[in-house]
Amino acid sequence: GEEVAQTPKHLVRGEGQKAKLYCAPIKGHSYVFWYQQVLKNEFKFLISFQNENVFDETGMPKERFSAKCLPNSPCSLEIQATKLEDSAVYFCASSQAPRAYNEQFFGPGTRLTVL
Amino acid sequence: AQSVSQHNHHVILSEAASLELGCNYSYGGTVNLFWYVQYPGQHLQLLLKYFSGDPLVKGIKGFEAEFIKSKFSFNLRKPSVQWSDTAEYFCAAHGSGGGADGLTFGKGTHLIIQP
Repeated sequence: GEEVAQTPKHLVRGEGQKAKLYCAPIKGHSYVFWYQQVLKNEFKFLISFQNENVFDETGMPKERFSAKCLPNSPCSLEIQATKLEDSAVYFCASSQAPRAYNEQFFGPGTRLTVL
Repeated sequence: AQSVSQHNHHVILSEAASLELGCNYSYGGTVNLFWYVQYPGQHLQLLLKYFSGDPLVKGIKGFEAEFIKSKFSFNLRKPSVQWSDTAEYFCAAHGSGGGADGLTFGKGTHLIIQP
């Protein structure tokens, strides 16, 4: 598609439950990025992919967060055993080219609320 | 460590006023710079970007920004704002080496234009 698509729009989970978010990048874009935005403040970079390969996961809290981009499937971000502080808007972005010409196109976000 | 700082968290202006939003970055090497806008209820959209060349960059909707290397700044400007410019504005940076890691964002400036 011509836009980055994210589902669901809203997700509510009880503490300790699993949450799974999906992202379909723009067709032809090889790079996918996940960001976390807490309380409408700064965006925190989580992880990036080049096709199905993890490129940079320095921002991922690895003990509970995982992500995948498999061929012919939307990318996913999964949080095992959610905590209250995971409440945030999670944005996915995609780009056509690597870092040097890195214009990222953002999706509408998934608002995760952990109760 | 790389960082982006935006000096003004909230700005209130009247229509037709001139706008300048400050952005400073701290990066070890060559940097690419971006301004994104998030209108109420919408996702991030790219306003303009600087990769190299002319330090005065023109973007969409009458916005421009000037890259001043000696000041590590990339301030956003618009000569005459409109009510529809009410939004959250984010400055972002990315090192222009190889690889595909994430953008570093500032904390955003909430701009309110009063009719």
